[in-house]
Amino acid sequence: GIQVEQSPPDLILQEGANSTLRCNFSDSVNNLQWFHQNPWGQLINLFYIPSGTKQNGRLSATTVATERYSLLYISSSQTTDSGVYFCAVVNTGGFKTIFGAGTRLFVKA
Amino acid sequence: IAGITQAPTSQILAAGRRMTLRCTQDMRHNAMYWYRQDLGLGLRLIHYSNTAGTTGKGEVPDGYSVSRANTDDFPLTLASAVPSQTSVYFCASSVSGGAGYGYTFGSGTRLTVV
Repeated sequence: GIQVEQSPPDLILQEGANSTLRCNFSDSVNNLQWFHQNPWGQLINLFYIPSGTKQNGRLSATTVATERYSLLYISSSQTTDSGVYFCAVVNTGGFKTIFGAGTRLFVKA
Repeated sequence: IAGITQAPTSQILAAGRRMTLRCTQDMRHNAMYWYRQDLGLGLRLIHYSNTAGTTGKGEVPDGYSVSRANTDDFPLTLASAVPSQTSVYFCASSVSGGAGYGYTFGSGTRLTVV
C-alpha cells in the first residue's frame, strides 16, 4: 500500500518563529489532507489539498503531486499551534485514507 | 452544532467483554470511518462505509465489526475485547469517500481493556 512519511518527527520552536513540515508519499494521490491534533486530542482538518497551494491565516500548504510531496508552512508560530500535525492521503483509484505518523510540534512562549 | 458525536468518552473494559462504540453525525455525510490511534503508530483505519448499507475493511479490521443501517450512525463493536485493543478510537465522516472531500472527526473514545 501507499506509504506516507512525515518530517521532522519532532520540532520545538520559539514563539514567533516560522517552520515547514513535510509529507512524502510513495504513490499518486487524489486526496491529501493536513490535520492538527491539539493537546486535548481533538483532530481539526486544516487543509484539503491534493494539488496546488492554499492559505488560511498564518498557515499555508503546497502539494506538488507530480513529485509526491506536500509542505505545511506555519508562520509566526504561537503556543496554540502546539500539537501533532498529520498528513493523510488517498492513493489514486483507492478509497482508504492513510495517515502519516505525524510531526509533534511544541511552541515555547 | 453540526458535527460528530462519539460515546462513551472513555471506558475501562474487562477482557472478553463485548463493547459497542457509538458514532453519530448530523451533517448527512455519505462516508464514515473508524480509526484507532496508538502512540508511535499514528491513526490506522479499522473499517469504513461509503454509504448507508455498505461497509469495508481498513488496515486493522480484525476483532472489530461495524454496521451502517442509516446515514447518521456508524457503531463499532468489539465482540470480545483484548488488551491490545486499548487505544483511542476516532470516528470521522466526509461528504463522500475517496477523493474530493475533507474529513470531520469526532472527539474520540479512550478505551482501556484490562
